[in-house]
Amino acid sequence: DTEVTQTPKHLVMGMTNKKSLKCEQHMGHRAMYWYKQKAKKPPELMFVYSYEKLSINESVPSRFSPECPNSSLLNLHLHALQPEDSALYLCASSQDPAFSGANVLTFGAGSRLTVL
Amino acid sequence: AQRVTQPEKLLSVFKGAPVELKCNYSYSGSPELFWYVQYSRQRLQLLLRHISRESIKGFTADLNKGETSFHLKKPFAQEEDSAMYYCASISSGSARQLTFGSGTQLTVLP
Repeated sequence: DTEVTQTPKHLVMGMTNKKSLKCEQHMGHRAMYWYKQKAKKPPELMFVYSYEKLSINESVPSRFSPECPNSSLLNLHLHALQPEDSALYLCASSQDPAFSGANVLTFGAGSRLTVL
Repeated sequence: AQRVTQPEKLLSVFKGAPVELKCNYSYSGSPELFWYVQYSRQRLQLLLRHISRESIKGFTADLNKGETSFHLKKPFAQEEDSAMYYCASISSGSARQLTFGSGTQLTVLP
């Protein structure tokens, strides 16, 4: 299995809802990432997990809560989101937790979130 | 802060014509650069990385330290090359991370 799988593909939620995005990889990668991508914009890093520990949080609002239950799974818990949080949320993984020229990120297809 | 700049938001070329997507970087040290591509309705994927000096799908990218550039080139564009192309770099310092340029939407016309 050489893919990063994200579910759900689409999610519509109200501002008072609690929902979660899920990401899974079975490539033995030791780092996993959440990126946010607005329409026609580049992906922006949100969180990095290295060896199942949160290593980077790019000052993301607390209404986004990441969780890494094990080395294959990454969740993003959503609560009290705002309409401006509507975006494509991309999960990625890499063999090497250290960002380097040799480190290639494998991306999932994304979860498209709409907040009403 | 290290960053990459892609000056062209949109680029159109005719099939069979050469194509060059520009990427300039600002860097203090050894740059670590990539090209990622996002085809319509497909996931973002790595195209090239500068350390590999490889050619993928006919594309090449050479690091030019004098001009601080990492332009992506292909001698003969194909319609299936139409996609969004992102130049990306690894920022140095304690908080290393992969940062993307603003992207160039390439359209190859028939």
